[in-house]
Amino acid sequence: ETGVTQTPRHLVMGMTNKKSLKCEQHLGHNAMYWYKQSAKKPLELMFVYNFKEQTENNSVPSRFSPECPNSSHLFLHLHTLQPEDSALYLCASSQDLSRPGGPSGTGELFFGEGSRLTVL
Amino acid sequence: GENVEQHPSTLSVQEGDSAVIKCTYSDSASNYFPWYKQELGKRPQLIIDIRSNVGEKKDQRIAVTLNKTAKHFSLHITETQPEDSAVYFCAASLSNFGNEKLTFGTGTRLTIIP
Repeated sequence: ETGVTQTPRHLVMGMTNKKSLKCEQHLGHNAMYWYKQSAKKPLELMFVYNFKEQTENNSVPSRFSPECPNSSHLFLHLHTLQPEDSALYLCASSQDLSRPGGPSGTGELFFGEGSRLTVL
Repeated sequence: GENVEQHPSTLSVQEGDSAVIKCTYSDSASNYFPWYKQELGKRPQLIIDIRSNVGEKKDQRIAVTLNKTAKHFSLHITETQPEDSAVYFCAASLSNFGNEKLTFGTGTRLTIIP
């Protein structure tokens, strides 16, 4: 299944490093998301790109910087992270109908397999 | 904003028995309630959803019920099988098809005992 692919699958970085997570979707969707999944916590929405515009950032620290060059690709740039940022970062896409006149779809979130990040 | 609480956090069920997971939400305007299943080491996947104009929805061994007055919804799995073992997440949203306001519960780890 290659609908939403994420790279790298695992990443270990020091607090002073700069790295990027990449997500690509092959489903023709118009919305892409970054979620953070930590143990015993709900899935936390970090960023939403709808029609390539960022519509939600949920007060995420500036050490996380998203980039969406087109509707199929989404990046999460990481710099000067903290150990508590260690988590599974999930990318997702969907066909978003929140705008009138948009194409039809279920709104279902299609997730990638995640990038497991460890900050030392 | 919306707050979704999910119980129990862990659940063990004998194979063949039924499992029930319950969620409550705080915002009475929420109108879309999906359930996602995440098997160990895999991605979350939508298994069933319900919208506020429906009280119950079934798909083979899985059913979801919604009580808008009480603001709670539940996932029911009948005749459980080993492949049902996973973490299940409920969620609630203010929009039927937009996911910007989708709030997830903390998850329930379901273990099916052979």
